[in-house]
Amino acid sequence: ELKVEQNPLFLSMQEGKNYTIYCNYSTTSDRLYWYRQDPGKSLESLFVLLSNGAVKQEGRLMASLDTKARLSTLHITAAVHDLSATYFCAVDDNYGQNFVFGPGTRLSVLP
Amino acid sequence: KAGVTQTPRYLIKTRGQQVTLSCSPISGHRSVSWYQQTPGQGLQFLFEYFSETQRNKGNFPGRFSGRQFSNSRSEMNVSTLELGDSALYLCASSPWTTMNTEAFFGQGTRLTVV
Repeated sequence: ELKVEQNPLFLSMQEGKNYTIYCNYSTTSDRLYWYRQDPGKSLESLFVLLSNGAVKQEGRLMASLDTKARLSTLHITAAVHDLSATYFCAVDDNYGQNFVFGPGTRLSVLP
Repeated sequence: KAGVTQTPRYLIKTRGQQVTLSCSPISGHRSVSWYQQTPGQGLQFLFEYFSETQRNKGNFPGRFSGRQFSNSRSEMNVSTLELGDSALYLCASSPWTTMNTEAFFGQGTRLTVV
């Protein structure tokens, strides 16, 4: 059974600081997804990582994937308040759009 | 380009009733998946339809069912509602091709069972 873990689950950080969210998964998969969710809202697609060594960047966020270690990271650079949200990673089992989500990391960026 | 549309946005039902939720995917997307989100269990996969066929199913009781129409629109049905079915139900659509597996979520239907 595919399981996805994230840490930390809660992250409070000051504006301007850097931090990394980790996502581990339990079985072989070549595809990993990062989503953002604001309170009361739906999920917004951030990154799709489709191969080992994939790295993608958008603004202050950068995501990477190591399929051998079954690990993805979401790195936040010089955090700003607008990044406050819950971040989810998700993995599919290569047989269709049946995402297994991590528990989410609730990020609060404080002024 | 229109996004994923879910209707209704909010729903209140009584225990024992049944409910049908609707999802219109992004034009051209053939894969539609449904997820349940609750504070206690997080985001859980219900089922996926691809070209009108159920391709994957999560670990939910048979009270939860779905279907997909020829225009890729999908419906999800929950029968004999229980209090624990109260949740945000999210639908996601994707082209699901070899080169593109990005999935886009609708705004969700918030179901309250009383």
